[in-house]
Amino acid sequence: DTAVSQTPKYLVTQMGNDKSIKCEQNLGHDTMYWYKQDSKKFLKIMFSYNNKELIINETVPNRFSPKSPDKAHLNLHINSLELGDSAVYFCASSQEVEGTYNSPLHFGNGTRLTVT
Amino acid sequence: RKEVEQDPGPFNVPEGATVAFNCTYSNSASQSFFWYRQDCRKEPKLLMSVYSSGNEDGRFTAQLNRASQYISLLIRDSKLSDSATYLCVMLPTGTASKLTFGTGTRLQVTL
Repeated sequence: DTAVSQTPKYLVTQMGNDKSIKCEQNLGHDTMYWYKQDSKKFLKIMFSYNNKELIINETVPNRFSPKSPDKAHLNLHINSLELGDSAVYFCASSQEVEGTYNSPLHFGNGTRLTVT
Repeated sequence: RKEVEQDPGPFNVPEGATVAFNCTYSNSASQSFFWYRQDCRKEPKLLMSVYSSGNEDGRFTAQLNRASQYISLLIRDSKLSDSATYLCVMLPTGTASKLTFGTGTRLQVTL
């Protein structure tokens, strides 16, 4: 039973193309995220949605557009791909519990994007 | 200054050794702290939360020093399977779920 699943696992595409990555979680969590891990292994948050509402939107080019059709899904669409977009993109989810901050993130197994 | 800083390593230790990593953070208002583990080409997974009083989980001990703004992870009796990258993670106060990750410390346990 995969808790957080994202597809595809590998994505190789040319500069200028548009691509999407899909993410689904079956944990019943109300918050989902997209993280980017670059070649230096630095893991940085891009977006966060809570119950389909955008709550975190870091300084990310507007070529990146997240979409959350329901709280179990958070997709990432990228327009006009650039070489610098090559990275591993991780989807994650968590259950926010009011008054506590210890809700762990559950990550998907990542999408390795290579832009040529 | 980075929000979370870690020695990237690698730390090469023999099986059975005790190894410790530190992680410093710059935001004194940071709320919560965690250690995550990431195996090569895999996703990060929560290893343990870090509590103010320090906490232990089997061979792993986590400590928080708010005065000096660092957290530590101690691994006793290292196993080959402990080889991984250990990510220090903090949650700043009032940032609505914005966990901040360090770049990780790589541990290699050898025979």
